[in-house]
Amino acid sequence: DGGITQSPKYLFRKEGQNVTLSCEQNLNHDAMYWYRQDPGQGLRLIYYSQIVNDFQKGDIAEGYSVSREKKESFPLTVTSAQKNPTAFYLCASSVSNQPQHFGDGTRLSIL
Amino acid sequence: AQSVTQLDSHVSVSEGTPVLLRCNYSSSYSPSLFWYVQHPNKGLQLLLKYTSAATLVKGINGFEAEFKKSETSFHLTKPSAHMSDAAEYFCVVSSITGNQFYFGTGTSLTVIP
Repeated sequence: DGGITQSPKYLFRKEGQNVTLSCEQNLNHDAMYWYRQDPGQGLRLIYYSQIVNDFQKGDIAEGYSVSREKKESFPLTVTSAQKNPTAFYLCASSVSNQPQHFGDGTRLSIL
Repeated sequence: AQSVTQLDSHVSVSEGTPVLLRCNYSSSYSPSLFWYVQHPNKGLQLLLKYTSAATLVKGINGFEAEFKKSETSFHLTKPSAHMSDAAEYFCVVSSITGNQFYFGTGTSLTVIP
């Protein structure tokens, strides 16, 4: 079955540490997205990518970085500059004018 | 600019009674609109989509939504709530290019046995 796989499901970060969240899709979608979800705030866009080797900042990109070296993969790094990283992170993919498909998320917590 | 307003942050219904989750949108063009459902610690699952065809859209699990341009609304309904419907629901509007999406803040549905 085609879909989006996010790993790990749970992740813990120590102070001053960078951590990377994985997102892989086998849907052959061009576009991929990272969202942050906090209680009562819906989804906020961190970064998105329309094609390989290109990506754009979303509304809350500070403290995060991404890469898009392959169509299937769009990893998100939460850097030490992100002072409040505790959240649920969702990855999605889509083709133009079609709904997004979502992974099952990664919950990041601070140790 | 596009935006979505979900008018209720929490809705409680009794099992077997109708569900109404309200969504208003703002858009300078004829948008694509979507409803998603999210169960705890899970991703979002598409319930239904409106893409300028029929204004009454039927989705999965007995849900449907009606696009009303004059009211800029896209409310989600279900005739009879089931316990398994308890979840968070998101209304989403797409950009004119169809490759960016704007989310409402969500409505938490509680179903009382």
